[in-house]
Amino acid sequence: NAGVMQNPRHLVRRRGQEARLRCSPMKGHSHVYWYRQLPEEGLKFMVYLQKENIIDESGMPKERFSAEFPKEGPSILRIQQVVRGDSAAYFCASSDFSGTSGREPYEQYFGPGTRLTVT
Amino acid sequence: AQKITQTQPGMFVQEKEAVTLDCTYDTSDQSYGLFWYKQPSSGEMIFLIYQGSYDEQNATEGRYSLNFQKARKSANLVISASQLGDSAMYFCAMILTQGGSEKLVFGKGTKLTVNP
Repeated sequence: NAGVMQNPRHLVRRRGQEARLRCSPMKGHSHVYWYRQLPEEGLKFMVYLQKENIIDESGMPKERFSAEFPKEGPSILRIQQVVRGDSAAYFCASSDFSGTSGREPYEQYFGPGTRLTVT
Repeated sequence: AQKITQTQPGMFVQEKEAVTLDCTYDTSDQSYGLFWYKQPSSGEMIFLIYQGSYDEQNATEGRYSLNFQKARKSANLVISASQLGDSAMYFCAMILTQGGSEKLVFGKGTKLTVNP
């Protein structure tokens, strides 16, 4: 049973270019989460998606960042016109449960991350 | 607001000894979950242990145990019989469920170094 897959593992972009990060959730998982980890920091939530729906994008910067999880294919995190401050590790996680009141949440399984370097 | 605090930026332990990594949390929810993840130098996030707020017993997974003190809002990770391979960053996290959403809130982490 393959785990969460992310590609590329390393991505180098020049300032102003676009970065596309891909995430394939674990088989059977329909919930995808993206997190960003700046150097020497913990992970920060960016966005939570289900198939064809954005559930919570409260952690996404308002401009240049977008995410999608189409009916077919991987989830994509897209960063337009990258700047040096976008350099970070971007982690995708997946789960098969969306929390509702009164129930314990299930674990989120993390991918290996994509290290984005903006030069 | 939900918050995770890890007050130890770095910890050192001798091989084969036990070590406790501190984590305190802040939430007004009655139902919540706490996680510990390990991040070695290779960068991946490895799930270690989970504690639910309604679990009556402290969680254990092999050499990892979670010292859960609900009244004090602490969820410390105890690693017994440390090994050199335990050297890594350790993150405490809490699941935040709100308005149909679900997300993990992470602490800043503790860097553990195991000395031979």
